[in-house]
Amino acid sequence: QSALTQPASVSGSPGQSITISCTGTSSDVGKYNLVSWYQQYPGKAPKVMIYEATKRPSGVSNRFSGSKSGNTASLTISGLQAEDEADYYCCSYAGSNTLNVLFGGGTKLTVL
Amino acid sequence: DVQLVESGGGLVQPGGSLRLSCAASGFTFSRFWMSWVRQAPGKGLEWVANINVDESEKYYVDSVKGRFTISRDNAQNSLYLQMSSLAAEDTAVYYCARVPIIQTRYFDYWGQGALVIVSS
Repeated sequence: QSALTQPASVSGSPGQSITISCTGTSSDVGKYNLVSWYQQYPGKAPKVMIYEATKRPSGVSNRFSGSKSGNTASLTISGLQAEDEADYYCCSYAGSNTLNVLFGGGTKLTVL
Repeated sequence: DVQLVESGGGLVQPGGSLRLSCAASGFTFSRFWMSWVRQAPGKGLEWVANINVDESEKYYVDSVKGRFTISRDNAQNSLYLQMSSLAAEDTAVYYCARVPIIQTRYFDYWGQGALVIVSS
C-alpha cells in the first residue's frame, strides 16, 4: 500500500484560510471515515488535530476543520496565525487485517 | 496528565539489535491499544506496529515483520519494541503512541521520541 498523497507545501497570509488535501484510494480514505490529521513542529512529537475525518479533539482550536469527499480528505485552517506554521500529516485506516494505518507524506505550511 | 516517555535509542551497527521502551503514566495503561510510529530524518511518519491490551493481537508493517517485536508489561505500564537485524533504513525517531479507541484508528497521545541510528 502506498502512502497517501499530500502537497509538499502550502502557504498563506495571516488571517487567510488554507486547505491541505490528502488523496488516497477507494480502499482507504474513500472507504472509511477514519482519517486523522496531525500537526508537527520541528523536533517535536505530532499532535492530533482532527480524527474520524471531521471531529476535533478537546482543546484544539475551532479554526481547524476536516472534511472528506470521495477518496480525498481535507484539512482547513481558517484565520491563519503565525503559530500554525508547521508540518501537517494526514492518516487513514487502510482496512487490512493488520489493522494498519497509512500516513501522507506531509505538508509544510508556511505563514507568510 | 498522560505522559509517554521513550528510552533505549542510540547508535547501532547494521545487523545489530536494540530494545526501545516507553513508560506510560497518567492513564490506565492496560485498557489501551498502543502503537509505535517512526519518522526517518527529514521524512514523513510511518506506522510500525500495534499491540492490543493483553498482547493477544500484534500487527506490523511489512518492512519490519520477522525483525521487530512489540510487547507490553501492564504491571510496569510499559511498552517495548525489540528490534533486530537492523538496517540503515530503520534509522528514525521512534514514537510510542496511544490509540484511544481501536475502532477510530488514531493516536491521541505521543511520546517525545527515541532516535535510532543504524550505521557502521
